[in-house]
Amino acid sequence: DQQVKQNSPSLSVQEGRISILNCDYTNSMFDYFLWYKKYPAEGPTFLISISSIKDKNEDGRFTVFLNKSAKHLSLHIVPSQPGDSAVYFCAASATNFGNEKLTFGTGTRLTIIP
Amino acid sequence: DAGVTQSPTHLIKTRGQHVTLRCSPISGHKSVSWYQQVLGQGPQFIFQYYEKEERGRGNFPDRFSARQFPNYSSELNVNALLLGDSALYLCASSLVQGARETQYFGPGTRLLVL
Repeated sequence: DQQVKQNSPSLSVQEGRISILNCDYTNSMFDYFLWYKKYPAEGPTFLISISSIKDKNEDGRFTVFLNKSAKHLSLHIVPSQPGDSAVYFCAASATNFGNEKLTFGTGTRLTIIP
Repeated sequence: DAGVTQSPTHLIKTRGQHVTLRCSPISGHKSVSWYQQVLGQGPQFIFQYYEKEERGRGNFPDRFSARQFPNYSSELNVNALLLGDSALYLCASSLVQGARETQYFGPGTRLLVL
């Protein structure tokens, strides 16, 4: 049962344009959401997070939007740069369970075209 | 400062064998989590340890076990290996236990079971 879904396995975006990565979840207990970026031969690197009490969080070129009613979140990267080419994972946790279990999506491979 | 380190980087075993994977968290981090990432999937939570106690367990068989040592390093043990255990095993550390603590991942150990 895939509780966190990333329906686009890949995405190509022109350098300088906006990249939008999408993520859907089914478990209504999730109340904290994160995006990780992964380069080959490296572990995932934390990018940005958002609590369910917010609908937007911004950090530099990265903005995460959360739509609780639709159980949907998205990561916007603007402007996109060649170094952004990587696999992006959406992850979620249910903080009232008291541990740090992250439930990940299957990832979206982002390719920035120079 | 050194990040999360894992050893070995790669490992080849045969079915039925046993394997031990090791993880050293970032200095000062007391919480360690283990994840399994099968090709084409997102990481799946296996265990979380905090202050040497198991604080969370994912949906994995009893062949999987782990422990955390007084210096907060951790071992993941897998007995009676199956072909399906072939995966990238990721270790993540965080400062303390808490679902909103940022988890920092190591580069992983790639296990191949023949």
